[in-house]
Amino acid sequence: RKEVEQDPGPFNVPEGATVAFNCTYSNSASQSFFWYRQDCRKEPKLLMSVYSSGNEDGRFTAQLNRASQYISLLIRDSKLSDSATYLCVVTYYGQNFVFGPGTRLSVLP
Amino acid sequence: DADVTQTPRNRITKTGKRIMLECSQTKGHDRMYWYRQDPGLGLRLIYYSFDVKDINKGEISDGYSVSRQAQAKFSLSLESAIPNQTALYFCATSDSPGQGEKQFFGPGTRLTVL
Repeated sequence: RKEVEQDPGPFNVPEGATVAFNCTYSNSASQSFFWYRQDCRKEPKLLMSVYSSGNEDGRFTAQLNRASQYISLLIRDSKLSDSATYLCVVTYYGQNFVFGPGTRLSVLP
Repeated sequence: DADVTQTPRNRITKTGKRIMLECSQTKGHDRMYWYRQDPGLGLRLIYYSFDVKDINKGEISDGYSVSRQAQAKFSLSLESAIPNQTALYFCATSDSPGQGEKQFFGPGTRLTVL
């Protein structure tokens, strides 16, 4: 089993839709969690950290369920510019960041 | 100016050649990483360094070596390139645990081995 798994995608959604991505991790000792965004042929960029109580940044909401070892990312009111691959990342006290394979999102006009 | 830079950005080489990819950062981070990315496989860690005197193998270190010349510089070498090392290579930095732990990536080097 891979250490970090994500919805395989791709997700094709119309503008304005709400879309959710799921991520599961196998190492119960994982401490920190992140969502990164990667545009085609570009470097990954941090989208948001994921906190135990859940957190929101504009149209983006991240949630963490430690008991189920599950992370989610919700995007509301999707924009064309949200089209990208979304990477789930976990780490244990800064020891090796483990990246999921990514979920590709295409927002269609 | 970019905080994490990589050179070259693109490279085409032949099997058996020695290649060095360079990474520099101005973020003042102690920790630096080299990853490769292949379609459908995500990012895989090659080597990482938590300070100038520290070098650690990652998931896929065979066929690669690294040098941490200074806090700001971390180089990746392919001693004898082979075609299955064709990939997109990223350098990244991060601060120490307790300081945020977020990773920041360079723009990538696209390497093709013929």
